[in-house]
Amino acid sequence: GESVGLHLPTLSVQEGDNSIINCAYSNSASDYFIWYKQESGKGPQFIIDIRSNMDKRQGQRVTVLLNKTVKHLSLQIAATQPGDSAVYFCAETPSGDYKLSFGAGTTVTVRA
Amino acid sequence: DAGVTQSPTHLIKTRGQQVTLRCSPKSGHDTVSWYQQALGQGPQFIFQYYEEEERQRGNFPDRFSGHQFPNYSSELNVNALLLGDSALYLCASSAGQGSNQPQHFGDGTRLSIL
Repeated sequence: GESVGLHLPTLSVQEGDNSIINCAYSNSASDYFIWYKQESGKGPQFIIDIRSNMDKRQGQRVTVLLNKTVKHLSLQIAATQPGDSAVYFCAETPSGDYKLSFGAGTTVTVRA
Repeated sequence: DAGVTQSPTHLIKTRGQQVTLRCSPKSGHDTVSWYQQALGQGPQFIFQYYEEEERQRGNFPDRFSGHQFPNYSSELNVNALLLGDSALYLCASSAGQGSNQPQHFGDGTRLSIL
């Protein structure tokens, strides 16, 4: 069956450093991917998305990389700030599907 | 521009009761999806509504049902509540008929079953 997983459940980062959060997916039919940030007591917040016809997409301080060959997705956050502390989820959708499948998430803690 | 709004924010029920949760989508969105998030886990898809019809359903029993109104708002109903139904229930909205559209989430309803 389909599944989306993350390599590391926790990540501790020094303020100002760059963060890299990894995600592995198993469904080769997935063609749309989203990264979400979830702070305590809130719903997931959309960060950035990428479609399978791309291998890189940049936003404000964030970059998503997609490697379809090894079914791997990563989120890079530049100059990590205390406000970046949260749980980060990758989610994927197979072509023609409507649901998002989420992994368990990576908790990012930013050290001052 | 209001985002996705959900009500109530918290709810306490007992086993066997029924509950209705409500969601208003983001302005301009016509599609509503519901997810269940257990503590420490990622959200699990329950179902999606588009044009007042259930378009896709996840692996949830028939005790979970929904409705979408002409103004695109939606309700999630859960009957015969079980202890295991305790979770954060999230509503997400998106725009457009096609798949592969970004879904934007509300802050959820925290449901506790005693």
